[in-house]
Amino acid sequence: SQTIHQWPATLVQPVGSPLSLECTVEGTSNPNLYWYRQAAGRGLQLLFYSVGIGQISSEVPQNLSASRPQDRQFILSSKKLLLSDSGFYLCAWSVDGDTEAFFGQGTRLTVV
Amino acid sequence: EDKVVQSPLSLVVHEGDTVTLNCSYEVTNFRSLLWYKQEKKAPTFLFMLTSSGIEKKSGRLSSILDKKELFSILNITATQTGDSAVYLCAVEGGYQKVTFGTGTKLQVIP
Repeated sequence: SQTIHQWPATLVQPVGSPLSLECTVEGTSNPNLYWYRQAAGRGLQLLFYSVGIGQISSEVPQNLSASRPQDRQFILSSKKLLLSDSGFYLCAWSVDGDTEAFFGQGTRLTVV
Repeated sequence: EDKVVQSPLSLVVHEGDTVTLNCSYEVTNFRSLLWYKQEKKAPTFLFMLTSSGIEKKSGRLSSILDKKELFSILNITATQTGDSAVYLCAVEGGYQKVTFGTGTKLQVIP
């Protein structure tokens, strides 16, 4: 069966520090991978999606970047965090061409 | 810009009540509408709807899509305290882009 792992669950980082959130999927090949952020009152916002290794699409201009170094690994990064980067980040995957998405448990990021 | 609007924003009902959650949307190149139940911050998938007028059912939950009027409803009958959660509606448009609503927070009290 397929599983998705996202870590860490909680993170407190100072402003200006770097960020690296990791997401891995097991039990499937060539998944579509997604990073979402949930900000208060705004619902889930799609940040990045990837249909293959090295292929990243950015949905919104921001202080974050994403990379996919391996087929089932998706990393969300920042060189210098801003206070506005605080929020809840969710990684998800779906089968290519199938919109049903399976979510990780999320990371609560607090930038102080 | 794609848009998904859910109503009501929050709802408090007693156990055993029936609730109807609404989702309206505007999206380019509609592909599907999805309902999720969000507990402890990680949404779990409930339904995917692509065709108008065909009800999807899972236990006490059911959902239907109206592509002409651009909305969907999620019904929960005989509610239980375990149904308390945020219910998210999402719509997939062109290029597999998925847009979420802000959710309806449902609280079921004994």
